[in-house]
Amino acid sequence: AQKVTQAQTEISVVEKEDVTLDCVYETRDTTYYLFWYKQPPSGELVFLIRRNSFDEQNEISGRYSWNFQKSTSSFNFTITASQVVDSAVYFCALSDLSNFGNEKLTFGTGTRLTIIP
Amino acid sequence: NAGVTQTPKFQVLKTGQSMTLQCAQDMNHEYMSWYRQDPGMGLRLIHYSVGAGITDQGEVPNGYNVSRSTTEDFPLRLLSAAPSQTSVYFCASSYEASYDTQYFGPGTRLLVL
Repeated sequence: AQKVTQAQTEISVVEKEDVTLDCVYETRDTTYYLFWYKQPPSGELVFLIRRNSFDEQNEISGRYSWNFQKSTSSFNFTITASQVVDSAVYFCALSDLSNFGNEKLTFGTGTRLTIIP
Repeated sequence: NAGVTQTPKFQVLKTGQSMTLQCAQDMNHEYMSWYRQDPGMGLRLIHYSVGAGITDQGEVPNGYNVSRSTTEDFPLRLLSAAPSQTSVYFCASSYEASYDTQYFGPGTRLLVL
């Protein structure tokens, strides 16, 4: 069974500070995919990144970066120089291939990030 | 492309009523799914479909039915609404499977009294 844990329920930081959102996952499969989604106050779900288990390179996209570590089963998300527009709920998700043809996507419970101006 | 569309945006039901939440996508995606979002619980999978004519249960299927007669549409039916089904419902689609990038609809907010 696959599981995603986002232990940080809520985080508040002052604007321009860096912040890291943690994501720990569990899977028995060696092939899997990890995702991060953003849900701003308007409610829609916005795709941020998809990473497969064979690619452990860290990813950077502007102020966003992701640290994938298979040794600790973690896929953490860092926002550098945070801005008020980063205030949102962030979800980490996992899909493994253990049930071929019946794969499912499992979400963590989310981290609510508030950037204080 | 409109992407993934959902109707209605908001609905109030009385306990015992039935209704259908509509979901459509125009990206020719094979995989479609329904999630419900409740405070503190993230998104939980209700039902999913890997192609027209094929559906399967997710984590929380009780009280919901689905069908997939076309590639484009994936309606979610509440047979007899209960207050526990008060939630925000999201439909999603992807190219082929759950491990592809999911594109989400705007959501339907449902209140069952």
